[in-house]
Amino acid sequence: DIVLTQSPATLSLSPGQRATLSCRASQSVRTYLSWYQQKPGQSPRLLIYDASNRATGIPARFSGSGSGTEFTLTIGSLEPEDFAVYYCQVRDNWLFTFGPGTKVDIK
Amino acid sequence: VQLVESGGVVVQPGGSLRLSCAASGFKFDDYTMHWMRQPPGKGPEWVSLITYNGGYKHYADSLKGRFTTSRDNSKNSLYLQMNSLRSEDTALYYCGRGSGSSGIDSWGQGTLVTVSS
Repeated sequence: DIVLTQSPATLSLSPGQRATLSCRASQSVRTYLSWYQQKPGQSPRLLIYDASNRATGIPARFSGSGSGTEFTLTIGSLEPEDFAVYYCQVRDNWLFTFGPGTKVDIK
Repeated sequence: VQLVESGGVVVQPGGSLRLSCAASGFKFDDYTMHWMRQPPGKGPEWVSLITYNGGYKHYADSLKGRFTTSRDNSKNSLYLQMNSLRSEDTALYYCGRGSGSSGIDSWGQGTLVTVSS
């Protein structure tokens, strides 16, 4: 089974700063990786699919990159509504796995 | 797109439960559908998927055959049959619509399953 590692566990930043979140897979998943945002009391929301494609309605300040085992989610300039938990998720054949998450909180 | 889960209740260990997900706002029989769950205070866990016509079903290894997913395209509905429930199955259960190669682009609000005596 694929194991995902997200770093850092917590990222403390101020509005306007750039956020860089990392997701590492234990084996190659090519570009079968997605990123989600979850706020308290809400369902996860898809941000990025297939490593670098923004989902419908997602602002351009969110971007994804990477392939194989190393992936990055970048938030270009943090808005107040971006403080949340972010999860990566991969597909390996027909199995899906979520990472443990990175919490982006206000410094 | 709207997904509405139902059927979550308090159930005793060893019991069974069937969850439902009603879909609307899109052509249901064009999409692979997923179940995920999220224990209180923890991250989401993928549970299962079923392809657009029900031809293929796949499950997380940890479920060890206790859960079965199905769909009724005539009713725009997705189901999850859960048997031999354990305390560790306590979670908010979500249904979701598959997107592209790897994502789940729409999630319901979830239905809470609590396994407790």
